[in-house]
Amino acid sequence: QVQLVQSGSELKEPGASVKVSCRASGYTFTTYAMHWVRQAPGQGLEWMGWINTNTGDATYAQGFTGRFVFSLDTSVSTAYLQISSLKAEDTAVYYCARVGGNGYYLSWFDTWGQGTLVTVSS
Amino acid sequence: DIVMTQSPDSLTVSLGERATVNCKSSQSVLHSSNNKNYLAWYQQKPGQPPKLVIYWASTRESGVPDRFGGSGSGTDFSLTISSLQAEDVAVYYCQQYYSSPLTFGGGTKVEIK
Repeated sequence: QVQLVQSGSELKEPGASVKVSCRASGYTFTTYAMHWVRQAPGQGLEWMGWINTNTGDATYAQGFTGRFVFSLDTSVSTAYLQISSLKAEDTAVYYCARVGGNGYYLSWFDTWGQGTLVTVSS
Repeated sequence: DIVMTQSPDSLTVSLGERATVNCKSSQSVLHSSNNKNYLAWYQQKPGQPPKLVIYWASTRESGVPDRFGGSGSGTDFSLTISSLQAEDVAVYYCQQYYSSPLTFGGGTKVEIK
């Protein structure tokens, strides 16, 4: 079955970096766009952007440029989210989410990772 | 950007009764090329990732009970749970995928009375 498995929780100090992984299985990784969604504690869902799993081209939502980088390792069907210069307000659960339908990036999300809690605190 | 506004913020319904969540988009998400509404609904239970319930505004995802129904077109949409069950307690989010940036509604918390 289609599955996205993310890396475990992280506790980081302000100014540090973190890299979250999202390993896909059960389908051809390069056929479906992958998105990232943030959920701050007690808050709603916020779209961060997406990465074309065929070309590696990434598109970032406003507010997620500069310190946020999406990347891929297609050899292991894995997408990554790296956040640098971490701030307390980056504390959130980060989800990867696969698009549904024919894989085009403008789509619903039919499969979600379990989420990775990143806590930024000194 | 398309702003998605949900109402109410929270909803308390008796077991077996109908629950309706509303979602309004700041511009139409109905695509003229295929006459489809680019609107999805998700269910999120505490400590879990969101789960897809409805896409194309009214198409139920495989495995979702038929008590869940989506309706509406253009800018006004609803998610209806025809007979609320205990396991339906969750926060529900609408999402438009008509244009980038993809945007979510603020969520509606559904609880049992």
